[in-house]
Amino acid sequence: DARVTQTPRHKVTEMGQEVTMRCQPILGHNTVFWYRQTMMQGLELLAYFRNRAPLDDSGMPKDRFSAEMPDATLATLKIQPSEPRDSAVYFCASGLVLGGQGEKLFFGSGTQLSVL
Amino acid sequence: AQKITQTQPGMFVQEKEAVTLDCTYDTSDPSYGLFWYKQPSSGEMIFLIYQGSYDQQNATEGRYSLNFQKARKSANLVISASQLGDSAMYFCAMHGSGNTGKLIFGQGTTLQVKP
Repeated sequence: DARVTQTPRHKVTEMGQEVTMRCQPILGHNTVFWYRQTMMQGLELLAYFRNRAPLDDSGMPKDRFSAEMPDATLATLKIQPSEPRDSAVYFCASGLVLGGQGEKLFFGSGTQLSVL
Repeated sequence: AQKITQTQPGMFVQEKEAVTLDCTYDTSDPSYGLFWYKQPSSGEMIFLIYQGSYDQQNATEGRYSLNFQKARKSANLVISASQLGDSAMYFCAMHGSGNTGKLIFGQGTTLQVKP
């Protein structure tokens, strides 16, 4: 089965360090999403791309977060500098349009980030 | 603004019985989509079922069915013949016509299946 691949699965780092999370979307999908999951906030959309172009990153702290799609097979989410409040699970998802009305998202396994 | 509400933080069900997980939503969009995702302890988000607002029939996927009541703005998930592997967190989500892919998630319901 095709699936979204995220790396790394777990990341422990110290405050102030740069963190890069990578995502390989499902081949043929043209939308990619980054979500963050915490106990307090639940699932929040950080950014999403269509055909590699960023469509919405309003949910992302701009001063420290950046999301890019250098090519159709790779999406990255960077945090620089990282802070303890960034500790969360970060999910990448890629999208498949359903009859023009909605997108069924396939999620990766997530990156568990701990910033000490 | 769109909103998803899941009022059941936790549910228990006996193996082989059916269970209903509640979800209500609020939107002013005439066209929208509703989703259910399962998140087992491994953390992965697994798509279960999708219902479009204009779909005439309730969506079904194997043991999963979505009880869509548009007038009441509810989209409850029904799992028939529960299995131990169904123990997980379940999230209801929606997006509006102008926000394709920008899924809004509920807080989730933890389901535990008892043997």
